[in-house]
Amino acid sequence: EIVLTQSPGTLSLSPGERATLSCRASQSVSNNYLAWYQQKPGQAPRLLIFGASNRATSIPDRFSGSGSGTDFTLTINRLEPEDFAVYYCQQSTTSPPTWTFGQGTKVDI
Amino acid sequence: EVQLVESGGGLVKPGGSLRLSCAASGFTFSGVWMSWVRQPPGKGLEWVGRIKSNSIGGTSDYAAPVKGRFTISRDDSQKMVYLQMNSLKTEDTAVYYCISTFHSDSSANRWGQGVLVTVSS
Repeated sequence: EIVLTQSPGTLSLSPGERATLSCRASQSVSNNYLAWYQQKPGQAPRLLIFGASNRATSIPDRFSGSGSGTDFTLTINRLEPEDFAVYYCQQSTTSPPTWTFGQGTKVDI
Repeated sequence: EVQLVESGGGLVKPGGSLRLSCAASGFTFSGVWMSWVRQPPGKGLEWVGRIKSNSIGGTSDYAAPVKGRFTISRDDSQKMVYLQMNSLKTEDTAVYYCISTFHSDSSANRWGQGVLVTVSS
């Protein structure tokens, strides 16, 4: 099973700053099937990025994803107050079919 | 409006059973693969399992911790997906999310609001 390790655990920033979140996989993620989600307290997660670098529908362009193989990054430019949340990376494999999630990075003020 | 709405959660004793339901609306359900993801209180996300579309067999796959105890099924005529949970353990306590997937089942593009399952004596 591929293990995803996110860093840092918590990122303390101010509105207007840039956030850089890391997700490292224990093995190469095939087809760059790596997604990023945002979760706010009491809410379901929301898809931000799929396929490592593709923004999901209605996601602002201040969110961007990059990386391949085992190292992936989510960058949030010019943090807005509504961006303070927990972010999870997730990968999928086909053999055996399974998904795994990272443990999350909290972006707070 | 695209919606996934879960129901059926609640309190159950260890060893008991519970069936969660998820009603889909606002999108073409029959061709979509559906999954369940859970989140224990205050913790991270964990994939539970998935069911393929009936057009390619409608088979299911499960995470190791629930394999043999949980069963996912679907009813395309009602636009419903179900999670039958048997032999429940305290560690199954979580909010359970119904999700639809895309991009070769690699990502969850739609999430329900979640339903809480508490396994406790």
